Amino acid sequence: AQKITQTQPGMFVQEKEAVTLDCTYDTSDPSYGLFWYKQPSSGEMIFLIYQGSYDQQNATEGRYSLNFQKARKSANLVISASQLGDSAMYFCAMRGRNTDKLIFGTGTRLQVFP
Amino acid sequence: DTAVSQTPKYLVTQMGNDKSIKCEQNLGHDTMYWYKQDSKKFLKIMFSYNNKELIINETVPNRFSPKSPDKAHLNLHINSLELGDSAVYFCASSHAQGSSYEQYFGPGTRLTVT
Repeated sequence: AQKITQTQPGMFVQEKEAVTLDCTYDTSDPSYGLFWYKQPSSGEMIFLIYQGSYDQQNATEGRYSLNFQKARKSANLVISASQLGDSAMYFCAMRGRNTDKLIFGTGTRLQVFP
Repeated sequence: DTAVSQTPKYLVTQMGNDKSIKCEQNLGHDTMYWYKQDSKKFLKIMFSYNNKELIINETVPNRFSPKSPDKAHLNLHINSLELGDSAVYFCASSHAQGSSYEQYFGPGTRLTVT
């Protein structure tokens, strides 16, 4: 069975600082994808970044990067130069090769303060 | 130019009623999904359809019936609503097959059953 674990229910970071949101996963699929989504207070789910299990390099998208450590089964999201607008819930998710469904973690609420 | 749209955004109804939520995507995706987000923000898949064919049905009560008239639409009909059905329901879409495709979410429908 696939499982995503986010152990940080809440995180605080000061504006312009970097922050790491933790995500560990468990799967027996040899091929899988890892995703991060942002859910601001307005409620929509916004796709941020994707990492494939066979990708050699860590994914980056602007201020977002994914610290992928396959042996440790972790896929942490790093947000650099935090902005007030980054305050939101962040969800880590996984999708196996042979399934269409995303398995989500419980989320981390990030609050950025001035 | 909304990619995935849902109507209505808010739905307040009484126990025992029947209601529907509509979803449309204009991304040309083959696969559409319904997810439920509970009061603790936990997201779980309910159904997925690929080209109008039901692919995933995740132990959802029979009172929930998805219908896909074409691959751009996936509606969710709920019979005999119960208090526990109160949640945010998200529609999503993606390309089919392969773990590398992110899912794009609609804005969500907040269902409140009184």
